[in-house]
Amino acid sequence: ETGVTQTPRHLVMGMTNKKSLKCEQHLGHNAMYWYKQSAKKPLELMFVYSLEERVENNSVPSRFSPECPNSSHLFLHLHTLQPEDSALYLCASGDLQGGNTEAFFGQGTRLTVV
Amino acid sequence: AQSVAQPEDQVNVAEGNPLTVKCTYSVSGNPYLFWYVQYPNRGLQFLLKYITGDNLVKGSYGFEAEFNKSQTSFHLKKPSALVSDSALYFCAVRDPFSGGYNKLIFGAGTRLAVHP
Repeated sequence: ETGVTQTPRHLVMGMTNKKSLKCEQHLGHNAMYWYKQSAKKPLELMFVYSLEERVENNSVPSRFSPECPNSSHLFLHLHTLQPEDSALYLCASGDLQGGNTEAFFGQGTRLTVV
Repeated sequence: AQSVAQPEDQVNVAEGNPLTVKCTYSVSGNPYLFWYVQYPNRGLQFLLKYITGDNLVKGSYGFEAEFNKSQTSFHLKKPSALVSDSALYFCAVRDPFSGGYNKLIFGAGTRLAVHP
């Protein structure tokens, strides 16, 4: 395993539900990322946290709300999602060393919105 | 704009034969290049990277990649494919404008199918 753990692995939710995805890393990294992987589309970077501060938000709809309470944990809060939000959501962590180190990915949460 | 292209949606190889998965990039300055592999229902696993130095980079599971600056390519190779290598492979380049963190720009992925 990579040292990045995501829970739950699978999630089915209705469009009116509120749920949260959790990501935890034990690698001592200080940057964390949320990616969205949809079928037949490249990975989309959603959010980046660097030293617990959000440094990037790639025009993600407000129904996705990230939270980074400390350098080891990252959450993605979900509410009033749409069926097109169904995808694999991947968390990653990395080191802040000029960007020449690789990112480590969790196994992802398979989200289905019904 | 910075971009990565993986021109093949799928590559089919017989077990024991050499394999190549192609990747070309367009980025300002010197590129930081990565290959990742994704097995079914799993996250991405790092295979190898090129930052600087020797153009031939060796990585996990017997994979290697060759950086070619003139052709702006970073093709993934393996001398002898295994059925267990069947997976989805992603090439990525670091966005040079992402500051100190690793904002990666991914290709669309290439599915490798190794047949017995």
